[in-house]
Amino acid sequence: EDQVTQSPEALRLQEGESSSLNCSYTVSGLRGLFWYRQDPGKGPEFLFTLYSAGEEKEKERLKATLTKKESFLHITAPKPEDSATYLCAVRGGGAQKLVFGQGTRLTINP
Amino acid sequence: GAVVSQHPSWVICKSGTSVKIECRSLDFQATTMFWYRQFPKQSLMLMATSNEGSKATYEQGVEKDKFLINHASLTLSTLTVTSAHPEDSSFYICSAHPRVSGSVVYNEQFFGPGTRLTVL
Repeated sequence: EDQVTQSPEALRLQEGESSSLNCSYTVSGLRGLFWYRQDPGKGPEFLFTLYSAGEEKEKERLKATLTKKESFLHITAPKPEDSATYLCAVRGGGAQKLVFGQGTRLTINP
Repeated sequence: GAVVSQHPSWVICKSGTSVKIECRSLDFQATTMFWYRQFPKQSLMLMATSNEGSKATYEQGVEKDKFLINHASLTLSTLTVTSAHPEDSSFYICSAHPRVSGSVVYNEQFFGPGTRLTVL
């Protein structure tokens, strides 16, 4: 059974304080690992898709990396507007659906 | 691109009534749409997978007679909560998986903004 575990559950940082969020996964035949951002009361917003170990993708202050067992979302010099819940999900071989982790609730204090 | 809309964004209804939620892909065709519900401070819980022109596949524990799903076209899926009760109050979110377009294959799902349902 495909599984995703995210840590920490919640993270509070000062503005400008860089950190990383972790997503550990087990999946049969990875067809994509996805990162989404969700603001309160809204639907998830797509950030990145990673397909193979060693792959990296960047967008503004965010960089996602992938190994065979986990993915990291690195946040460099975050701003208060980066506060949100970050969700990690995987899609396994033959499956249409995504399996989500519980999310990391990130708060950036000014 | 890849915009998904939901209507209504929020709805309040009386116990025993039925509520219909629409999910539309605005700038792409979706072979598959998904319906989730989300409780406060929890992750998304998949309710069902809907393929255009065929019956929805429901996750274990989800009552198919209570949550009716219709995927009538490549841009529209609807979720009807029948005989709603207060325990059905939740945040309902749909997502859409784009149809293969030319040589482009999408593995991502794109999400709608969600519908807040409150049953009194």
